[in-house]
Amino acid sequence: GQQLNQSPQSMFIQEGEDVSMNCTSSSIFNTWLWYKQDPGEGPVLLIALYKAGELTSNGRLTAQFGITRKDSFLNISASIPSDVGIYFCAGQSRRAGGTSYGKLTFGQGTILTVHP
Amino acid sequence: DSGVTQTPKHLITATGQRVTLRCSPRSGDLSVYWYQQSLDQGLQFLIQYYNGEERAKGNILERFSAQQFPDLHSELNLSSLELGDSALYFCASSTGTGGDQYFGPGTRLTVT
Repeated sequence: GQQLNQSPQSMFIQEGEDVSMNCTSSSIFNTWLWYKQDPGEGPVLLIALYKAGELTSNGRLTAQFGITRKDSFLNISASIPSDVGIYFCAGQSRRAGGTSYGKLTFGQGTILTVHP
Repeated sequence: DSGVTQTPKHLITATGQRVTLRCSPRSGDLSVYWYQQSLDQGLQFLIQYYNGEERAKGNILERFSAQQFPDLHSELNLSSLELGDSALYFCASSTGTGGDQYFGPGTRLTVT
């Protein structure tokens, strides 16, 4: 089945540093989503990407949908302590007729720790 | 706040028992999804309902079942519980059959 490889597994950075994480897949996805999860809470949608090559920003976050449709990255600039959490990528594919499969396939997550 | 609500927040039960988890989607969303999150398996898709009908099935055990009611809320039923069923169970919703999914706060199930 489809698998997403997310890296790095964890990151320890100083406040103010930039962060980059990425996801690669063995198969094509038509939508890439990035989520952040705090301990004991549900994933919160950060950015959604719908087209190959698309670059989208949300405040200090920037994400790109890879040209091959098999990868995506997320950058966080000027990190702050509240950026701490687990970041997940998720991919969604499309049925033969063009409608989306609802199922999201998730990466294993990147644990981000920010030192003040 | 995503607008997706889940109850209960925590559930502790014994092996062999049956539990029901409840989810209310965001206002206007027709799709409800259930996911299981465990330390060893990560976030795994279980099942999707769209406007009352089952739309897609993932790695859902036969002991588990779900339904979506006319008011669009959904219930996930877990029966003959085993220790390995202990996990966080999330519900998500979206407007259509795919697209952006918004997650609820989850139900933490502990089977003892």
